[in-house]
Parts: sequence; structure tokens; C-alpha cells
Amino acid sequence: GIQVEQSPPDLILQEGANSTLRCNFSDSVNNLQWFHQNPWGQLINLFYIPSGTKQNGRLSATTVATERYSLLYISSSQTTDSGVYFCAVGKSISNFGNEKLTFGTGTRLTIIP
Amino acid sequence: DGGITQSPKYLFRKEGQNVTLSCEQNLNHDAMYWYRQDPGQGLRLIYYSQIVNDFQKGDIAEGYSVSREKKESFPLTVTSAQKNPTAFYLCASSFRGRTGELFFGEGSRLTVL
Repeated sequence: GIQVEQSPPDLILQEGANSTLRCNFSDSVNNLQWFHQNPWGQLINLFYIPSGTKQNGRLSATTVATERYSLLYISSSQTTDSGVYFCAVGKSISNFGNEKLTFGTGTRLTIIP
Repeated sequence: DGGITQSPKYLFRKEGQNVTLSCEQNLNHDAMYWYRQDPGQGLRLIYYSQIVNDFQKGDIAEGYSVSREKKESFPLTVTSAQKNPTAFYLCASSFRGRTGELFFGEGSRLTVL
């Protein structure tokens, strides 16, 4: 199956700092999603981004499918950004897709006030 | 509000007992999924269902069972055959197709004593 590697595993930053999280994957994909898991455990979908660039407020993501990586940028970090960020990738050959998602082990981000 | 509701949030059971975790969604999603998360790990797929009355095994289905009698509901039973059931269980849903963003419930934390 597809291997997913996220880096760094842990990141501690001061409030207001910017950060870049990386997701490398071992095969071509047609499904890539970024999630934020808050301290209470819930996962929130941040981006569906199999290719290209998207922005949502202070967050943006870029996927370079040909080079098999994706980046998540967080600008002007706030304490509420703390948690674990997961990248999930998949390669579907049917009309269905999400059952093929493979999750990375995440980047734990801690924002210090 | 639309969303995915999981219950209970916390559950303690003795070894050898079956337990059922509830998952209900009102997002009108066709597909529903159950994932397991262990500390420091990514998510692993237990079972998924693309339509009512049909479901498929994921990567770690042994010791688990599911049903899909209604579009809105996808309960998971953790049976006594599951060798290491203590974990955080997450239910998710999405529309069918490769472009379906995955949405999660708040999770159920099961501890087997």
C-alpha cells in the first residue's frame, strides 16, 4: 500500500509564528486530505487537495502531485491551532474513494502563548 | 445543525463483553466509515459502507461487526474476539465519489478492564 510520512513529528512554536508541515507519499494519488485533531480528539477536515493550492484564512495547502508531497502552511499561529495534523492520501480506481485513504502518523503542533 | 453524533463518548467494559458504539449522521451522506486510533498512531479503517444494507471490511476488521440498516446509522460492535479493544474509535461519513471530503464525529473512547 501507499506509505505516508509526515514531518516534523513534533513542533513547538510561540504564538504568532508561522509553520510548515510536510506530507510525503510513496505513490501517485487522486485523493489527499488534511485534518486537524483537536485536544479532545475530534478531527476536522481542513482541505481536500489532491493537487494545486488552496487557502482558507490563515491556513493554506499545496500539493505537488508529480513530486509526491503536500505542504500545510499555518500563519500567525494561535493557541487554538494546537493539536495533531494528519495527512491522508488515497488512490481510488472506482467511483468510491475514501475507503482507500491511508493516514500518516501526524504532526503534533503546540502553540505557546 | 448537521453533523455526526457518536455515543457514548466514554465507555468502560470488562474483558469478554461485547460493546456497541453508535454513529448517526444527518449530513445525507451515502458512505460511512469506522476507524480505530491508538496512541501516537494514525487512523486505521475497520469497516465501511457505501450504501444501505452493504458494508465491507477495512484493514483491521477482525473482532468487529457492523450493520447498515438505515442511511443515517452505522453502529459498530466490538466483540469479545477483538484481542486489544482499548482504543479511540472514530466514525466518519462522506458523499460517494473520489471528491468526497471525509467528516468525523467526536469519537468514542473504549477502555476494557
